[in-house]
Amino acid sequence: DIQMTQSPSSLSASVGDRVTITCRASQGIRNALAWYQQKAGKAPKRLIYAASSLQSGVPSRFSGSGSGTEFTLTISSLQPEDFATYYCLQYNTYPLTFGGGTKVEIK
Amino acid sequence: EVQLVESGGGLVQPGGSLRLSCAASGFTFSDYNLDWVRQAPGRGLEWVGRTGSKANNYATEYAASVKGRFTISRDESKNSLFLQMHSLKTEDTAVYYCTRVQTYNDFSFDYWGQGTLVTVSS
Repeated sequence: DIQMTQSPSSLSASVGDRVTITCRASQGIRNALAWYQQKAGKAPKRLIYAASSLQSGVPSRFSGSGSGTEFTLTISSLQPEDFATYYCLQYNTYPLTFGGGTKVEIK
Repeated sequence: EVQLVESGGGLVQPGGSLRLSCAASGFTFSDYNLDWVRQAPGRGLEWVGRTGSKANNYATEYAASVKGRFTISRDESKNSLFLQMHSLKTEDTAVYYCTRVQTYNDFSFDYWGQGTLVTVSS
């Protein structure tokens, strides 16, 4: 199975901060990587697919990059509604696997 | 508007069975792969399995943790997805989400249901 190592597991940041979350795959997954945002009690929402494609309707402050084994989700200027947990997902190979999540909290 | 609505969750004893349903609307059901994803309380997301689209011959894939105990099926006439769970264990306790897999330019989950909670406990 492909292991997705997501870091950090949590972070505290202020409104306006630039935030970066990383996912590393245990083997190459090309660009088959998506990022999801989950708020408490809600279903995840897709932000980025194909490593760097922005989901329609998602603010442009979210961006994704990477290919192969290392991927990054960047929030250029954190907004109050961005405090949530973020997950990466690899869908290159069965079984599909998620990163462990990054909880973004208010500093 | 794409909608996925899960139902069938509840409390079941270890060793018991339960069948979850997911009613889909707003898209051509047979064109899409559909997956189940679960989330144990306070934990991360775990892929459970997939039923392929008509074009993929409705082929199924499962996570090792559920293979042989869970069966995913679909009813094209009712636009419904199912997850039949047998020999349930306490570690199967989770919110179960029905998800749609995008079919063009990408194959990640583009839509999720609201989830249904399964609790396995004596």
